[in-house]
Amino acid sequence: DAKTTQPPSMDCAEGRAANLPCNHSTISGNEYVYWYRQIHSQGPQYIIHGLKNNETNEMASLIITEDRKSSTLILPHATLRDTAVYYCIAKEPDYKLSFGAGTTVTVRA
Amino acid sequence: EAGVTQSPTHLIKTRGQQATLRCSPISGHTSVYWYQQALGLGLQFLLWYDEGEERNRGNFPPRFSGRQFPNYSSELNVNALELEDSALYLCASSLDRGLDTGELFFGEGSRLTVL
Repeated sequence: DAKTTQPPSMDCAEGRAANLPCNHSTISGNEYVYWYRQIHSQGPQYIIHGLKNNETNEMASLIITEDRKSSTLILPHATLRDTAVYYCIAKEPDYKLSFGAGTTVTVRA
Repeated sequence: EAGVTQSPTHLIKTRGQQATLRCSPISGHTSVYWYQQALGLGLQFLLWYDEGEERNRGNFPPRFSGRQFPNYSSELNVNALELEDSALYLCASSLDRGLDTGELFFGEGSRLTVL
């Protein structure tokens, strides 16, 4: 049911920026894109969401392309504690959020 | 402020038995969502309750059911347990029914093992 696609895994060096891509070419014009992450065996944690403007908070930045077909989550200075599965998801019309397989991000020292 | 709490943390049952999992949302949150996460897999949407009513359910058989109480806490029941029901069951709550704020608050989950 998920309308987003992400790479299955990626590595990142500690202290460097991590750029996580997400394709969502079929979402409609009024559907938000949400990002969550799940650290091993814990409940998922909300990171950020956006519609068409770029967004930034204390955790990350979200860059959404002008055509809204893709977005990138940026962790500006990755730490070992950012190692997690990152989910890019779109809200479906019936208000549920469907989580796909996500991207497993491994931050290496 | 207390977060979403789930109980029990771990539960072991045998095939054919029934399991009951409980969830207390954050105070003031009226929407409760249930997800199933089998080992190594993503989250599968199970059920959504809001204001005491079931609003939506995922592609799960009827033996997965639940309810939401007047205090907005929720219960998930799984009848006639099968081995493949072994999973982490996650509950989340939201202040905003329409999820316009984008934020679901998740509990730490209940791990169900079916032997």
